[in-house]
Amino acid sequence: KAGVTQTPRYLIKTRGQQVTLSCSPISGHRSVSWYQQTPGQGLQFLFEYFSETQRNKGNFPGRFSGRQFSNSRSEMNVSTLELGDSALYLCASSLDGTGGLYEQYFGPGTRLTVT
Amino acid sequence: DQQVKQNSPSLSVQEGRISILNCDYTNSMFDYFLWYKKYPAEGPTFLISISSIKDKNEDGRFTVFLNKSAKHLSLHIVPSQPGDSAVYFCAASFGNEKLTFGTGTRLTIIP
Repeated sequence: KAGVTQTPRYLIKTRGQQVTLSCSPISGHRSVSWYQQTPGQGLQFLFEYFSETQRNKGNFPGRFSGRQFSNSRSEMNVSTLELGDSALYLCASSLDGTGGLYEQYFGPGTRLTVT
Repeated sequence: DQQVKQNSPSLSVQEGRISILNCDYTNSMFDYFLWYKKYPAEGPTFLISISSIKDKNEDGRFTVFLNKSAKHLSLHIVPSQPGDSAVYFCAASFGNEKLTFGTGTRLTIIP
């Protein structure tokens, strides 16, 4: 079974630009969650999509948005990039949810650098 | 407000000895706790979990202990091996609510 894939793996953008990251979950998984990892902050939850609907949301500004398609693939968009958005963005998929009861499988992440 | 805290950013342990990674939490509603392991350039992988109705869960060389009154959990790795060198994240959740992760502890096993 193929794992979670994320594209691109590395990205360099300048302040003010926008970026779209993509995540393909494990086949059959309906829940896709996005996390931001920065040094000293650990993994911070951005949002979770389930059956094309946002089901959970973290404490990030509206510049961070996402969507999920009918095949469960998900995209995350960040508009008006700031230097502080430089981070590793991780996507995780699970069968049915984002809580501890459902094992989440993570992709390798997209390393975003904002200059 | 960091609800899950890993106060040691790094830990070095001799190969063959016990590694103990600690995690504290503040939200008494958390009822499920997990440990993830992360190698560079890879996503975190699930290691072991524990429900709040238990105080210990074992899986091979890995044991997780939960002290609910102290709001503290720990991961013991015995014996430690070079392949255990990684960043370890603890995480907690309430029901099917989102996972809340700690900041991570970098474990280095010295051969």
